[in-house]
Amino acid sequence: DAGITQSPRHKVTETGTPVTLRCHQTENHRYMYWYRQDPGHGLRLIHYSYGVKDTDKGEVSDGYSVSRSKTEDFLLTLESATSSQTSVYFCAISDGQGGDEQYFGPGTRLTVT
Amino acid sequence: QQQVKQSPQSLIVQKGGIPIINCAYENTAFDYFPWYQQFPGKGPALLIAIRPDVSEKKEGRFTISFNKSAKQFSLHIMDSQPGDSATYFCAARKGAQKLVFGQGTRLTINP
Repeated sequence: DAGITQSPRHKVTETGTPVTLRCHQTENHRYMYWYRQDPGHGLRLIHYSYGVKDTDKGEVSDGYSVSRSKTEDFLLTLESATSSQTSVYFCAISDGQGGDEQYFGPGTRLTVT
Repeated sequence: QQQVKQSPQSLIVQKGGIPIINCAYENTAFDYFPWYQQFPGKGPALLIAIRPDVSEKKEGRFTISFNKSAKQFSLHIMDSQPGDSATYFCAARKGAQKLVFGQGTRLTINP
């Protein structure tokens, strides 16, 4: 596996609470991504980063924010969690230097009650 | 708005059969079409990919067929094995290293 870790791996939280998920890479890749995976929807891009402090929205960014203060870390924050944000969240990385492959982390299962 | 439509949603094939998973897209600006394989509890992993200037690509038992005029591409698995049982996702890239995924196909290969 590419050097990607996600933490926590599982989390249960209550509606209205803030939640932060962490993605850490050891590959020094430029691009980092956050996806959510839901049945019938495949993987949908939430936000991505193309460098330190450089981020942009994906197709389902409402209710989420991200930060990238170091090359190796990409944080996803749910400002006020809702039940619709119950999902499996995947981080991915790519080097963007002619390499097309995105490498995915192991995922975080988030349940909002 | 689903930019990449994948079918079928689930597929059951006997060992040795040839499952075929299809994807269709609308955006002619897509320039890269990968297939990802995902086992339960794991993240997706790249299986095989194709660019639109090629009509077919084979890697081992896996083949992508690409029809640019029809805006369709498909994954074929030759001599399928129970170990191929997984969820498969097609995807398309539209620049800035961003992928758009299909809905996924849960493939079961029966012994």
